[in-house]
Amino acid sequence: QKEVEQNSGPLSVPEGAIASLNCTYSDRGSQSFFWYRQYSGKSPELIMSIYSNGDKEDGRFTAQLNKASQYVSLLIRDSQPSDSATYLCAVPIQADGLTFGKGTHLIIQP
Amino acid sequence: EPEVTQTPSHQVTQMGQEVILRCVPISNHLYFYWYRQILGQKVEFLVSFYNNEISEKSEIFDDQFSVERPDGSNFTLKIRSTKLEDSAMYFCASSDGVADEQFFGPGTRLTVL
Repeated sequence: QKEVEQNSGPLSVPEGAIASLNCTYSDRGSQSFFWYRQYSGKSPELIMSIYSNGDKEDGRFTAQLNKASQYVSLLIRDSQPSDSATYLCAVPIQADGLTFGKGTHLIIQP
Repeated sequence: EPEVTQTPSHQVTQMGQEVILRCVPISNHLYFYWYRQILGQKVEFLVSFYNNEISEKSEIFDDQFSVERPDGSNFTLKIRSTKLEDSAMYFCASSDGVADEQFFGPGTRLTVL
C-alpha cells in the first residue's frame, strides 16, 4: 500500500514567520510531488510541483525534495493570515492517480 | 484563466437512485480524473481517463461507478445505485500530461439519504 504521511497539526505560526510543512512517502520510485492548499469546504488548489531533488521557489513558497530520504517539504515565508488552510501533499500512485496525505492544518496567528 | 467546472454544486438523492455528476475539464487537457473526499477524511483517487478509456482505477471504483466522455467537453461520473456511504465531495480534475499537475474543479457535494 503506497502511503503519503503528514503531521495533521494544527501547526500554529505567527504572522510574518516561516511555516514549514513536511511529508514523507513510501514509494521510492515516485517521480513527481505536489502541494495543494485546501480551504474548508473548498477544493484542492495546486500550490507547487517538484520533480527533482533540491529546492524550487515560487514567490513566498519553496518546495524541497529529498528522494533518498523520501520526504518533501513546503516552506511558506512571510506567513499571512490568508495562508491559514490545510496543506495536502500528493504523489502519483502507479500511473497518474494521486495519493494524498491527510493534510496539515496550518493556522497563522495575526 | 482556464478552470475545471462541475455541476451541480450540491446533489441530494435517495439511497438506491442513480446520479450523474458532470465536469468540464480545461479545454486543452487530455487526462481526466475523479476523486472523492468524505467529510473530515483525505482526498481519495477514484479513476483516471485518457483517450476515451479508463487508464487507472482504485479499489473504491467498483461496478457501481462508471465514467464517460459523452462529447468533446463533458466528463461524467455515474453512480448506479447510491449508498449512504457514497455521501462525499466529488472532485473532477484534469491535466495535460501523465503524472503532471492536476487542476481540480470546485466539487459536487453528494448527499445520499
